[in-house]
This record gives sequence, structure tokens and C-alpha cells, in this order.
Amino acid sequence: EVQLVQSGAEVKKPGESLKISCRGSGYSFTSYWIAWVRQMPGKGLEWMGFIYPGDSDTRYSPSFQGQVTISADKSISTAYLQWSSLKASDTAMYYCARRMAGYYSFDYWGQGTLVTVSS
Amino acid sequence: QSALTQPPSVSGSPGQSVTISCTETSSDIGSYNRVSWYQQPPGTAPKLIIYEVSNRPSGVPDRFSGSKSGNTASLTISGLQAEDEADYYCSLYTSSSTWVFGGGTKLTVL
Repeated sequence: EVQLVQSGAEVKKPGESLKISCRGSGYSFTSYWIAWVRQMPGKGLEWMGFIYPGDSDTRYSPSFQGQVTISADKSISTAYLQWSSLKASDTAMYYCARRMAGYYSFDYWGQGTLVTVSS
Repeated sequence: QSALTQPPSVSGSPGQSVTISCTETSSDIGSYNRVSWYQQPPGTAPKLIIYEVSNRPSGVPDRFSGSKSGNTASLTISGLQAEDEADYYCSLYTSSSTWVFGGGTKLTVL
């Protein structure tokens, strides 16, 4: 069974750093792109970027380029999303999602990680 | 850059059909079949229900169907059931090699 399991909720202060994770299982982790999607409170979905764990090829949405870093450790089948200096506006639910092989869709999603940034 | 417009809300009674539209400002929908639809019940992660305009993943009921005409894609849900109440998002892989989501449509089953 394909599963993406994300790390738990985080509460941080502005200016702090953070790295959240998404562990894949039940499939060949290195053969599928993993995307990160933001959902701000009461708002819609926003594609942030994605990574191909097989060779760490990474692409970012222009809206998020330079704001976050996406990485992966294929030895432990885990993708990451990190911030070096959080802002209150980073408060959101973050989902990882697997790109469907050969198609432009995301077929499996993690349960989400809620990040709250507040002083 | 492409933008996708969805109606904020739609509603229908059990057993009825509803259609949710997704209109694009440029021409990527009309040129390619890179449209997907996702269902997000309250408090849960999104779930893929339609890919490549009109294909259903395994396990998705055939009450859900997708289509497109010109720059508008549509999701139709027939035989509405209470459990269909959720937010629905369209998504497009654009000619700029990025994904864009619509603003979402809240479906209320009356």
C-alpha cells in the first residue's frame, strides 16, 4: 500500500528555522516526483515545487523560489521542506503528494503538517 | 501566467447532478489534457478523483465525470450523496511547467 506519512504539527516563532518531512512507503520512492502543496487557513491549494528523489532534480513555483528549500534523502525514502527564517505568513497546512507516473496529477497525498508561526 | 477560476459554491439535493466549472485565462486547458480534479472533505487531505480531463483513478465511483470545452474544464457529479459534500479543486499543468490550482468550490448537499 502506497503511503506518504508526514511529520507532526509545529509551532514556531518568526525568524526560526524549520524542516518538515514526508516519508514514502509501499512503492519505489526514487521513481516518483514528490510535490509540496500549501494550504493557508481557509484558502485553496498552492503548488510550491517538487523533487525527483532519484537524482534530486528540484523545481520550484516562481512564487516560492528562494522562500523554501525542497530536498530528499533517498536512503530513508523521505522528502523535506524547509525554511531558514519563518514568517507569520508561513502559517498553513503543508501537504506532500506523489506525482502520478506519466501524468500531470498527484495520486497519493500525505496527511498534512500544520505549521503555526506566532510570536 | 495561467489562472483557474471556479465558482465559490454549488449545491444540490441528494440524487441530483451538479457541475463545477474551471475556466482558464490563457489557452492551456484547450491545448492539452493536463487537467485534474481533487476532492477535499473538511479536515482531510485532497484526493485525486479525475486526471487527464476525464479519467477516474481506480476506486473512484463513475458518478464522477470530467470533460472540457474550449478553455473550460468541468466536473460533473451525478446521483449526489451526502458524502460528496466537500471542497473541489481543479488543477492544470501549465505551459510554463508549473501547476496551478483553482480557488476551489464548496459543494453543499442539501
